[in-house]
Amino acid sequence: AQSVTQLGSHVSVSEGALVLLRCNYSSSVPPYLFWYVQYPNQGLQLLLKYTTGATLVKGINGFEAEFKKSETSFHLTKPSAHMSDAAEYFCAVRNRNRDDKIIFGKGTRLHILP
Amino acid sequence: DSGVTQTPKHLITATGQRVTLRCSPRSGDLSVYWYQQSLDQGLQFLIQYYNGEERAKGNILERFSAQQFPDLHSELNLSSLELGDSALYFCASSPSGTYNEQFFGPGTRLTVL
Repeated sequence: AQSVTQLGSHVSVSEGALVLLRCNYSSSVPPYLFWYVQYPNQGLQLLLKYTTGATLVKGINGFEAEFKKSETSFHLTKPSAHMSDAAEYFCAVRNRNRDDKIIFGKGTRLHILP
Repeated sequence: DSGVTQTPKHLITATGQRVTLRCSPRSGDLSVYWYQQSLDQGLQFLIQYYNGEERAKGNILERFSAQQFPDLHSELNLSSLELGDSALYFCASSPSGTYNEQFFGPGTRLTVL
């Protein structure tokens, strides 16, 4: 069965430092991949997605993620963290079957240290 | 603003009661998904409807049920409520097609006392 693993339920970085949030999936066929962000007391918002083509995907707010098939990974990065990036981040996958459901990881809470 | 609306925003009720949560998807989206988010369980997929028909089931309890109406809005019914049902309930919608991400509503916070 499809699954998503996010390493680290909490990650802390200093303001201005590199943000790296890890996501690995298990699937025999590369799925569609998503990163969502949830700010306090809000719903989830799509940051970026990989469907096909270029493996480096750029999203909103300066985030990007790289699909690595050989590593079954889709890690999220941002070169320089900002205080406003403090939120919970969810990696998600969906099979390439039409209308299949999305499987979410357990989430990583990102803390930004001043 | 994702275009998905959920009502009510907050709901406080007692154990044993029944509540209904409502979701209006984005205009044109045929799929509606319901999720439960709690501190101990994380984000759990409950159920999906596509154009009025149940498409997929997740970790939905028998005390919970949902439906999608001809105008595509959806309702999640929670009955015989227990303290452990206190959580954020999210609705999401997506268009038909192959690359669809889901667009989430702001959620309904349910507190069972």
